[in-house]
Amino acid sequence: NAGVTQTPKFQVLKTGQSMTLQCAQDMNHEYMSWYRQDPGMGLRLIHYSVGAGITDQGEVPNGYNVSRSTTEDFPLRLLSAAPSQTSVYFCASSSLGGTEAFFGQGTRLTVV
Amino acid sequence: AQKVTQAQTEISVVEKEDVTLDCVYETRDTTYYLFWYKQPPSGELVFLIRRNSFDEQNEISGRYSWNFQKSTSSFNFTITASQVVDSAVYFCALSGEDSNYQLIWGAGTKLIIKP
Repeated sequence: NAGVTQTPKFQVLKTGQSMTLQCAQDMNHEYMSWYRQDPGMGLRLIHYSVGAGITDQGEVPNGYNVSRSTTEDFPLRLLSAAPSQTSVYFCASSSLGGTEAFFGQGTRLTVV
Repeated sequence: AQKVTQAQTEISVVEKEDVTLDCVYETRDTTYYLFWYKQPPSGELVFLIRRNSFDEQNEISGRYSWNFQKSTSSFNFTITASQVVDSAVYFCALSGEDSNYQLIWGAGTKLIIKP
């Protein structure tokens, strides 16, 4: 029972570097999302997908790209890392809109 | 637009006390869903409950109970006889058509249970 798997768990980047956060789910869920969590704030939606080939922007999309070529995978790309992107990132999936979301373990990203 | 407000930033109680976490929401949707999640110090997000807008029955699960009141747009969470293991950050969230069924989160309430 893997559920939602995020890698890596920790990452340190230098300003200007790029990287991809991986997210995979094995529950055949249509909905997948990426959130960031900053101290004292709730989770904020970066990008989401309602099915393979369909993505849309959330509340804080700038500096991030996503693609959804398969139902299982939903990678998040940081194009040119900035210190403001230091955060904890969560990937989530759900079977339908309005149903329980299952979360990955989170990725703690530090940009120096 | 949808919004979730958790006005209590931090609550500290002594073990065995009852504690209520407040959640107030705003939405234009007639059909929507409300959630509570727990985030213990280890950092993962743990689902606690989901409630749809047409079901105003209160829910009880062991020491946990939830009070949904559409008239006041509130979905409050009560822990009875709190335990140290209940210490965590608790998030209330909302989803509906207005947000394309993506979760809109409150800022969270940090609950500290002292032994």
